Amino acid sequence: TQLLEQSPQFLSIQEGENLTVYCNSSSVFSSLQWYRQEPGEGPVLLVTVVTGGEVKKLKRLTFQFGDARKDSSLHITAAQPGDTGLYLCAGASTQGGSEKLVFGKGTKLTVNP
Amino acid sequence: GAVVSQHPSWVICKSGTSVKIECRSLDFQATTMFWYRQFPKQSLMLMATSNEGSKATYEQGVEKDKFLINHASLTLSTLTVTSAHPEDSSFYICSAREESARSFPFYEQYFGPGTRLTVT
Repeated sequence: TQLLEQSPQFLSIQEGENLTVYCNSSSVFSSLQWYRQEPGEGPVLLVTVVTGGEVKKLKRLTFQFGDARKDSSLHITAAQPGDTGLYLCAGASTQGGSEKLVFGKGTKLTVNP
Repeated sequence: GAVVSQHPSWVICKSGTSVKIECRSLDFQATTMFWYRQFPKQSLMLMATSNEGSKATYEQGVEKDKFLINHASLTLSTLTVTSAHPEDSSFYICSAREESARSFPFYEQYFGPGTRLTVT
């Protein structure tokens, strides 16, 4: 069974601070996706990383895929209250001929004004 | 683009009744849709993979006779929770995978807004 360990589970910071969320596994994934989920809503895709060592930026968010495609990180610069939410990483792997997503447990981020 | 809708957004039903949840891809065709379940403060757990025109593939531990999935068209999949019990109360989320030239080769999943099921 493939597992994705996400840390920290909870993070409460002040507006303007930087933060990093980690997603680690012993398994190799063909791609890794980061989602953000608001309470009572479905996850919204932020980014997909595919190549080992790949770095993608989305405004103040920087996503990195590990060289071995087993881990990933999300770094937020100068966090704002609007960044508050549940951040989920999900690894894509092919099992039994079909591709599935394996989700981490999520990081609940609270940015205080 | 890549919008997925779910209906209803919330439903309350009595124990022993059945509830149907619809998942639609609004602006793309989805050969494959997925059904997830999410408990409070927990992550998403894949229940089953829904394939258009064929039987769904269920994850280990998910009762296929209780959670009936039908994927009748390239834009619609339904999940029916049969003989619902209070322990079936949860947040059910579907996703649709866009498998097209536009999305090749990374067939990303796009999620619906979820359906909150409460069984009394």
